Amino acid sequence: GAVVSQHPSWVICKSGTSVKIECRSLDFQATTMFWYRQFPKQSLMLMATSNEGSKATYEQGVEKDKFLINHASLTLSTLTVTSAHPEDSSFYICSARDMRGYNEQFFGPGTRLTVL
Amino acid sequence: AQSVTQLDSQVPVFEEAPVELRCNYSSSVSVYLFWYVQYPNQGLQLLLKYLSGSTLVKGINGFEAEFNKSQTSFHLRKPSVHISDTAEYFCAVSGNDYKLSFGAGTTVTVRA
Repeated sequence: GAVVSQHPSWVICKSGTSVKIECRSLDFQATTMFWYRQFPKQSLMLMATSNEGSKATYEQGVEKDKFLINHASLTLSTLTVTSAHPEDSSFYICSARDMRGYNEQFFGPGTRLTVL
Repeated sequence: AQSVTQLDSQVPVFEEAPVELRCNYSSSVSVYLFWYVQYPNQGLQLLLKYLSGSTLVKGINGFEAEFNKSQTSFHLRKPSVHISDTAEYFCAVSGNDYKLSFGAGTTVTVRA
């Protein structure tokens, strides 16, 4: 149980295009999902908290117009990187918190984004 | 706000030897503590967590950790490592907002 999937697992795009990454909780409902960014050999940095049915909460320094987050249902959150540039290349990981209130986040396998 | 310091960036260890990964945290409120493992190009897998109760926490794959409030530490241990334990290990802390703050990570390399 408690499986989180991400799609795609990797994506290569041209500079200036937009890329959408999906995060799904497969066997539980998640009122809250989190988006993280991880650079090579570094730790995870929280980008934003996604709440079902409401606007996402972004961490300081994260451009909300560049990283659009939509939490449309209790099992799906999407992250869209708009007008991507090479510096947006990174490993993006989502996590989901079970709405039953367990204090544990379940992580997706990550999406490797490369912007050329 | 919470923060985490992992004191060792790299830990080389021989197979079947014990290993300890050190983690210290700072927080002004009650904390929940976690250890995660990450294999290359994968997401994070929870090894163990401390929410409340017994300060000695046992996790998966033979790992355990001890919560020490007076020393604000949550060190991870395994008495005998395997080659398959080679991975990146992250200590994390959260408060009641469920946001996780991660340490910088410790790379464990197990050698035969």
